[in-house]
Amino acid sequence: AQSVAQPEDQVNVAEGNPLTVKCTYSVSGNPYLFWYVQYPNRGLQFLLKYITGDNLVKGSYGFEAEFNKSQTSFHLKKPSALVSDSALYFCAGGSGGSYIPTFGRGTSLIVHP
Amino acid sequence: EAGVAQSPRYKIIEKRQSVAFWCNPISGHATLYWYQQILGQGPKLLIQFQNNGVVDDSQLPKDRFSAERLKGVDSTLKIQPAKLEDSAVYLCASSFGTSPGGTQYFGPGTRLLVL
Repeated sequence: AQSVAQPEDQVNVAEGNPLTVKCTYSVSGNPYLFWYVQYPNRGLQFLLKYITGDNLVKGSYGFEAEFNKSQTSFHLKKPSALVSDSALYFCAGGSGGSYIPTFGRGTSLIVHP
Repeated sequence: EAGVAQSPRYKIIEKRQSVAFWCNPISGHATLYWYQQILGQGPKLLIQFQNNGVVDDSQLPKDRFSAERLKGVDSTLKIQPAKLEDSAVYLCASSFGTSPGGTQYFGPGTRLLVL
């Protein structure tokens, strides 16, 4: 069975500081991994994904994520946080044998002015 | 391009009543998904369609939930009768292709409250 874990329910960071939202995965075979962001009363918006290729994936709004196979992680990062980045972030993943990614529980990112 | 459309945005019903949600995916997207998102949790897949056929409905509570995508475009999800634990946001998503790992694009969701 595949699983995705987001170990932090909430991440707090000051505006202008770098941010990291953590995600680890457990799948059989080669993984595909996503990050989505959800603003209040909105659906999930796609940020970035990893299928194959470079371990550093660049996405929307200045976000990037690093795929680390040995640590089975796919942490989301941004060099300089904005207050407008405050939202709920979901990591999702699966393997080539599964059409449906499994979603993590979500991490609430709060960026303080 | 227009995004995934869902209606209604909000619905309040009493337990044992029925309710239906509608979804129109992005034009040309073959695959359509319905998810249930309970507060504080990640989305859980209820059913996946590929064109007008069901690919995966293993987590759909079939005694009360049903879904259809008759012409391979828009879709309806129904709950009958509703229970208190069905209170959640119901998300519809679509993707262009049919292969694993395809990017899903989500609608705004329908927030259901069962009293």
